[in-house]
Amino acid sequence: QKEVEQNSGPLSVPEGAIASLNCTYSDRVSQSFFWYRQYSGKSPELIMSIYSNGDKEDGRFTAQLNKASQYVSLLIRDSQPSDSATYLCAVSRGGYQKVTFGTGTKLQVIP
Amino acid sequence: IAGITQAPTSQILAAGRRMTLRCTQDMRHNAMYWYRQDLGLGLRLIHYSNTAGTTGKGEVPDGYSVSRANTDDFPLTLASAVPSQTSVYFCASSPSLGNTEAFFGQGTRLTVV
Repeated sequence: QKEVEQNSGPLSVPEGAIASLNCTYSDRVSQSFFWYRQYSGKSPELIMSIYSNGDKEDGRFTAQLNKASQYVSLLIRDSQPSDSATYLCAVSRGGYQKVTFGTGTKLQVIP
Repeated sequence: IAGITQAPTSQILAAGRRMTLRCTQDMRHNAMYWYRQDLGLGLRLIHYSNTAGTTGKGEVPDGYSVSRANTDDFPLTLASAVPSQTSVYFCASSPSLGNTEAFFGQGTRLTVV
């Protein structure tokens, strides 16, 4: 079992719709969770971090964390073509522990 | 402009040759990382450093070495390159190890032939 699992996609959504990206992790003591966006041929950039159960909203992005189910998700409201990218889920035990990345989900927003 | 810089941006290397990928950051971050990214395998950690003078092995360290002589620089060396080391290499840094945002360099595309 991979430590961090994501559906590779591609996930296709129409412009203006809600895109839902999911991630599961195997390490029950994980404490820190991150979503990175990576455009084709570019480096990853952080868009959200979440540390507590529940929802965290930032503009059109909402991260959701459920530690009991070992599940973290990213919702993108009013999806735009510029949101088309690969989204990487990353997990850490926190403190001075390394971050482990999932393989990413490719999102395509269709105009 | 503050950030993290990698060099070269791309390189074609003959198998068996030695190669050093350079990485410099000016954000005074304590932690630095080297990842390789391969299709279908995602980002895999090669080596990391928690602070100047210390390094650690990641998920795929074999065939690679690093040093951290100061806060800013974290070079990655391939002692004798092999074709399986063909990949895109990303250097990253963060204020501390583990629970903070990581900033990535622009990547180095390495092809070993």
